[in-house]
Amino acid sequence: DTEVTQTPKHLVMGMTNKKSLKCEQHMGHRAMYWYKQKAKKPPELMFVYSYEKLSINESVPSRFSPECPNSSLLNLHLHALQPEDSALYLCASSIEQGPPYEQYFGPGTRLTVT
Amino acid sequence: RKEVEQDPGPFNVPEGATVAFNCTYSNSASQSFFWYRQDCRKEPKLLMSVYSSGNEDGRFTAQLNRASQYISLLIRDSKLSDSATYLCVVNIGTGGFKTIFGAGTRLFVKA
Repeated sequence: DTEVTQTPKHLVMGMTNKKSLKCEQHMGHRAMYWYKQKAKKPPELMFVYSYEKLSINESVPSRFSPECPNSSLLNLHLHALQPEDSALYLCASSIEQGPPYEQYFGPGTRLTVT
Repeated sequence: RKEVEQDPGPFNVPEGATVAFNCTYSNSASQSFFWYRQDCRKEPKLLMSVYSSGNEDGRFTAQLNRASQYISLLIRDSKLSDSATYLCVVNIGTGGFKTIFGAGTRLFVKA
């Protein structure tokens, strides 16, 4: 079963709020990813965790803070976001980081920053 | 030049048609290649991996040409349910790791 779950499905937050996005997979995958997708654009890689360690940070602003509490869970902590951060946030996982492994995506959290 | 470029869309085809998408990549360190489909307001779903030997899954055939640095996807006997955005994805693994998505090609299959 190639299932990645994400909560919440929708989130509306003000610019002074602190919130967290959650992602979970039980496929035994050791790499997990956060992507941001704006309307009519492809997903853009934000962070990669490999074996619970941050492997890649694609120069993401510090108002986004990832966390990997264990091999099944991935969080994205949000603080002091801007309206332009409104987007679909996608989590993905793969057996391990990098080629040749396919990534499987969760349904995403649609974030609106007011 | 973008690292991954796809045919501009949209493609409008009748049911039963054969449609082909092309994708080119610029980084010779690219190591693995995929096609995903994405329905409106949904997540990308893996359609198929792409291998140098070519691979087929039902009505879908994917090809990789490393010398020319392009990937193709052929859909035969198009169905209404094939209407979606098709994303070409490249993993670059040497000296680091990157996943690059093409901008996507929108397909509309009409009755």
